[in-house]
Amino acid sequence: SQTIHQWPATLVQPVGSPLSLECTVEGTSNPNLYWYRQAAGRGLQLLFYSVGIGQISSEVPQNLSASRPQDRQFILSSKKLLLSDSGFYLCAWRRDARAGGYTFGSGTRLTVV
Amino acid sequence: AQKITQTQPGMFVQEKEAVTLDCTYDTSDPSYGLFWYKQPSSGEMIFLIYQGSYDQQNATEGRYSLNFQKARKSANLVISASQLGDSAMYFCAMREGDRNTDKLIFGTGTRLQVFP
Repeated sequence: SQTIHQWPATLVQPVGSPLSLECTVEGTSNPNLYWYRQAAGRGLQLLFYSVGIGQISSEVPQNLSASRPQDRQFILSSKKLLLSDSGFYLCAWRRDARAGGYTFGSGTRLTVV
Repeated sequence: AQKITQTQPGMFVQEKEAVTLDCTYDTSDPSYGLFWYKQPSSGEMIFLIYQGSYDQQNATEGRYSLNFQKARKSANLVISASQLGDSAMYFCAMREGDRNTDKLIFGTGTRLQVFP
């Protein structure tokens, strides 16, 4: 079956520390993958998307970067976290162009202290 | 400019009544898709309903229906027979682009509260 895994579920990190969030998809090949961030009580902001290995498009200039080292793996990173990086991070993949086409992971709640 | 606009930050509805959540969008792409997602307090994003720009009929999924008015660029979600479990954030989203560039862009959401 097709599933998406995202970890960790929660993370508390000090300012200036590095970050690595991982997302993997099972049961499909060559998916489009996405990273979103949701600030408390706000909508989802698209951060990065990838249509293939090594192909990353950035939507918002920021302190974060993304990589896709394998077909079904998408990683969100930062070398030095800022307080403003706190939020709820969601990974998503595109199953098909029509109904139910985007499936989301369970999210990572990041608090930078 | 906002691509997806949800003008209702919060809505209240009594159990068993119907409620409409508003969504307008802006695009020059002739091919696009419109989605509604539900986000309960757990944070998970639950897909509710989809409408393609070329679909002739309004989409329906159980108690959810999408009132698609293409000329007005609106895609309102109608929830019939509201239940207490419907209390959550609701997001309208639009997909633009082709297979290599498609992105799902979200509105700011509407918080729906269903009361007994």
